[in-house]
Amino acid sequence: AQSVTQLDSHVSVSEGTPVLLRCNYSSSYSPSLFWYVQHPNKGLQLLLKYTSAATLVKGINGFEAEFKKSETSFHLTKPSAHMSDAAEYFCVVSGPRDDKIIFGKGTRLHILP
Amino acid sequence: NAGVTQTPKFRVLKTGQSMTLLCAQDMNHEYMYWYRQDPGMGLRLIHYSVGEGTTAKGEVPDGYNVSRLKKQNFLLGLESAAPSQTSVYFCASSYSGGPLADTQYFGPGTRLTVL
Repeated sequence: AQSVTQLDSHVSVSEGTPVLLRCNYSSSYSPSLFWYVQHPNKGLQLLLKYTSAATLVKGINGFEAEFKKSETSFHLTKPSAHMSDAAEYFCVVSGPRDDKIIFGKGTRLHILP
Repeated sequence: NAGVTQTPKFRVLKTGQSMTLLCAQDMNHEYMYWYRQDPGMGLRLIHYSVGEGTTAKGEVPDGYNVSRLKKQNFLLGLESAAPSQTSVYFCASSYSGGPLADTQYFGPGTRLTVL
């Protein structure tokens, strides 16, 4: 069975410091993996996606994630946090069936001034 | 392009009432989805559609029905609302799914309260 675990429900970093949001997944197949961001009272927006091409995936707003099959991880990073990054982040594993779309429970990122 | 729109944005129902949520997309996407978002639970798939005239159950389909009569519209119905259906509902669409899962584009959400 597929599953996804976001290891931290809340992460706090100071503005200008690195961000690390952790995601582990479990899948019997080679999954598609996504990170989405949700700002308060908004819909979700794609940050980046992994679909079996390059293992290091670059996304919008300076975010990137590395697919590590041996560790079944897809952690999201950013070198320098900005106040506008404060939001909730969701790791998603998808496939191979149409109904196999599993969202993690989310990590709320707080940026300290 | 409006992207994905949802109607209404807010709604309050009494237990036992019915309602329909409308989702519309203008990107000519084949796949459309309905999710519910509850605190600490992430998003859970209610129903989805892989094309006009098709619907299928997701992870939490009980108490909901859907229809996709037109490619651009995906309706979510609650026949007899229950307090457990208090949630924020998101519609999404994508070009493809399954093993070729593509980016999902989300609507702004509908906040539903059932008293």
